[in-house]
Amino acid sequence: KQEVTQIPAALSVPEGENLVLNCSFTDSAIYNLQWFRQDPGKGLTSLLLIQSSQREQTSGRLNASLDKSSGRSTLYIAASQPGDSATYLCAGGYSGGGADGLTFGKGTHLIIQP
Amino acid sequence: DAGVIQSPRHEVTEMGQEVTLRCKPISGHNSLFWYRQTMMRGLELLIYFNNNVPIDDSGMPEDRFSAKMPNASFSTLKIQPSEPRDSAVYFCASSFRTGVHYGYTFGSGTRLTVV
Repeated sequence: KQEVTQIPAALSVPEGENLVLNCSFTDSAIYNLQWFRQDPGKGLTSLLLIQSSQREQTSGRLNASLDKSSGRSTLYIAASQPGDSATYLCAGGYSGGGADGLTFGKGTHLIIQP
Repeated sequence: DAGVIQSPRHEVTEMGQEVTLRCKPISGHNSLFWYRQTMMRGLELLIYFNNNVPIDDSGMPEDRFSAKMPNASFSTLKIQPSEPRDSAVYFCASSFRTGVHYGYTFGSGTRLTVV
């Protein structure tokens, strides 16, 4: 059974810092990995999707990497802002080319202190 | 595009009652997924459909849960009878299944409380 783990469960940093969120997965036969943001009481907003053939993806201040051999993905947030405060979830697609649904980690709750 | 639309946003019901959650996927998407989120277990896949056909329902917790997709633009998740342990946020997501997968779009969820 595939498992996705996110450590730490919670993180608090001052505004302006660069930070890294970690995601590990147990099965290297992963087709893709997707990072989401979830605000309190809200749905999931897709941030970045990395295919297994890719090493990283970038969008604005966000950069996500994927290392299948080590079973790790990281989400790098540059110059953090209070508006970045949210729960960040990573999820792996393991079947059907990644199209058969996702296995989620439990998320990292991020607080950016003004 | 209005995104994935779920209704209702909140539902409070009494134990034993039937609950129906609704989802309208993004137009043109051919796969639809139902997830449940709880504090203890996080997000779990319940069932998914491809081209309106249920493909994998192994995540459905009990026979009290059922899901249908009568057409490409509508799906329901029904719980009958509901129990307090069914209280959770239920998310619907859709995607376009093709040679390369381009990710999932989630709805805003339905927060279900069974008292």
